[in-house]
Amino acid sequence: ELKVEQNPLFLSMQEGKNYTIYCNYSTTSDRLYWYRQDPGKSLESLFVLLSNGAVKQEGRLMASLDTKARLSTLHITAAVHDLSATYFCAVDRNSNYQLIWGAGTKLIIKP
Amino acid sequence: EAQVTQNPRYLITVTGKKLTVTCSQNMNHEYMSWYRQDPGLGLRQIYYSMNVEVTDKGDVPEGYKVSRKEKRNFPLILESPSPNQTSLYFCASSFDLTGGLGYDSPLHFGNGTRLTVT
Repeated sequence: ELKVEQNPLFLSMQEGKNYTIYCNYSTTSDRLYWYRQDPGKSLESLFVLLSNGAVKQEGRLMASLDTKARLSTLHITAAVHDLSATYFCAVDRNSNYQLIWGAGTKLIIKP
Repeated sequence: EAQVTQNPRYLITVTGKKLTVTCSQNMNHEYMSWYRQDPGLGLRQIYYSMNVEVTDKGDVPEGYKVSRKEKRNFPLILESPSPNQTSLYFCASSFDLTGGLGYDSPLHFGNGTRLTVT
């Protein structure tokens, strides 16, 4: 059974600092997704990672995938308040969009 | 505007009273899916549909039904709602992801339906 674990589940940090959110999964998969959710809102796609060693960056966010270690990271550089949200990773179980989701990391960035 | 539209946004009902949550997408997507979101559990898939001919159960299908009579619509039906189905529900869509067009496409989500069953 595929399990997806995110760490930490809650993160409070200061603006300007760097931090990393981790997403571990338990069985082989070749597709991993990162999403952002603002309070009371829908989910917004951030990154789609399809292969080992994939790295994608958008603004202050950078995501990477290590399929051998079954680990993805979402790195935040010089955090700003607007990045406060809950971040989810999701792993495709069978390459047919049966996604298994992590519990989410609630990120609060203080001025 | 390309979007996934769910209705209603909020719904309060009583145990056993049948309800339908509608979902429509205007992006000509093949794939559609329903999720429920509960605190601390992330999203869990209820049903999904690869195209109008293929619909299958996700991880938590009990108590739910779906219908995919046409590509753009994918309603979620609760025949006899119970309090444990109180949750936030999301519909999502994407291209056919079985190796063809849209292989790296993300899911596009609706705005959600908050359902309370008393």
